[in-house]
Formats: sequence, C-alpha cells, structure tokens
Amino acid sequence: QLQQSGPGLVKPSQTLSVTCAISGDSVSSNSGVWNWIRQSPSRGLEWLGRTYYRSKWSNDYAVSVKSRISINSDTSKNQISLQLNSVTPEDTAVYYCARDLPGTDSFDIWGQGTMVTVSS
Amino acid sequence: ENVLTQSPGTLSLSPGERATLSCRASQSVSRSYLAWYQQKSGQAPRLLIYGASSRATGIPDRFSGSGSGTDFTLTISRLEPEDFAVYYCQQYGSFPLTFGPGTKVDIK
Repeated sequence: QLQQSGPGLVKPSQTLSVTCAISGDSVSSNSGVWNWIRQSPSRGLEWLGRTYYRSKWSNDYAVSVKSRISINSDTSKNQISLQLNSVTPEDTAVYYCARDLPGTDSFDIWGQGTMVTVSS
Repeated sequence: ENVLTQSPGTLSLSPGERATLSCRASQSVSRSYLAWYQQKSGQAPRLLIYGASSRATGIPDRFSGSGSGTDFTLTISRLEPEDFAVYYCQQYGSFPLTFGPGTKVDIK
C-alpha cells in the first residue's frame, strides 16, 4: 500500500514536495521500482520519474522535468519523496506515486493521489 | 517519444454490450509492452492488462487485450455497471513512459 502526504498549495517559483509511505514492501527491495506520475486536464497522465535500488540507488527522469525534479528514498521510513522546483501554474495536477508491477514498467499499486495547486 | 492516441474519445453503450477500445502508437511498441488502466472519478488508475494481453491480478475475464506493433485493443465482452469509467493505455517499451489521452465509456 502507498500512502501519500504533502501540501495542497504551493506558490509559484517555490518547491513542490510530496511524500509516499510504503507498506507491505521495502523501498530498497531488489525488485521494487517506485514512480511519480501526475495527472492534469491539460497534460493528461504524465510519467515524471522513478527510483530503484539494485546494489545502488538509481533514478530516471522525464526530459520535460529533468532540470527541476528530484526523487529520493528514505530507507529508515520506507518512503520515497518527490521534489519539483521552480513550479508554475502549469504544474498544478494530481500527483501519484506508483509501484512497478515486478518485471514490467506498468504500475500495479498506486497511492491515493495528492492534488497540488500552484497559485499565489 | 512514443505518442499514444486512443479512439473513440467517448463510447456510449448499455450494460451487457461489448466495448472495443483502440490504442495506436506513433512508433512500434517494443515487445508489446503495453498496459491498460481503468480510472473512476476521484480514484487512482487501476491496472487491468499488461504485456498487451495479460490480465492483472483480480481482473475479471470479461476484460481482454490484444494487439502488437502499433495497434492495440482492449475489449470488455459484456459491460457491467461498474465498468463505466475512463480507460487509458500506457506503453513501457521505451522511455519516456507515455499514456494515451483516454477513452470514456459511458452509459447510453
């Protein structure tokens, strides 16, 4: 299960942060891949990036946000986090964390979603 | 980037009818790495199909997927009341991972 938390309102130019707490699995398992996806009326569903552990931590990011995004893991809390810098109103969306179905890059477990509005 | 288009945008059907949804990719999807999701209002997407034709755990057998290359289909053999929702395809054959814009299946 994935449980998300984070502020619902962020001011333009500031940093958006959302956390995803994992239960029933380990963030550092050798089969786990943990993703962030967002959904807005204008952009639809958009994959933002992922993190995974295979002897070391690795990240992959979408080109559209690569200069502004950071996905981190916290093994002590068994959670991942998303940070998106320099936000604009176009970053207003529902943000989801999701786990890869093992052996695929489809998503079998999703967080409940966090609606983030970028507005002054 | 592999751009996915879905048709039709909206499908109006009655319970018990058959639904056929299409997903077309701008480039061939490697190894048929295509998934289908169902999303209801206010909920996260739910994985239905992966690998173009494999049902995810717990998905009823009225849902089936087919296709390869650039053309894929999701079929719901007999619509149940709980199947009226939006359906998305997603390709994971290449990065970035991309989704289609969705097909809404609503009650006629």
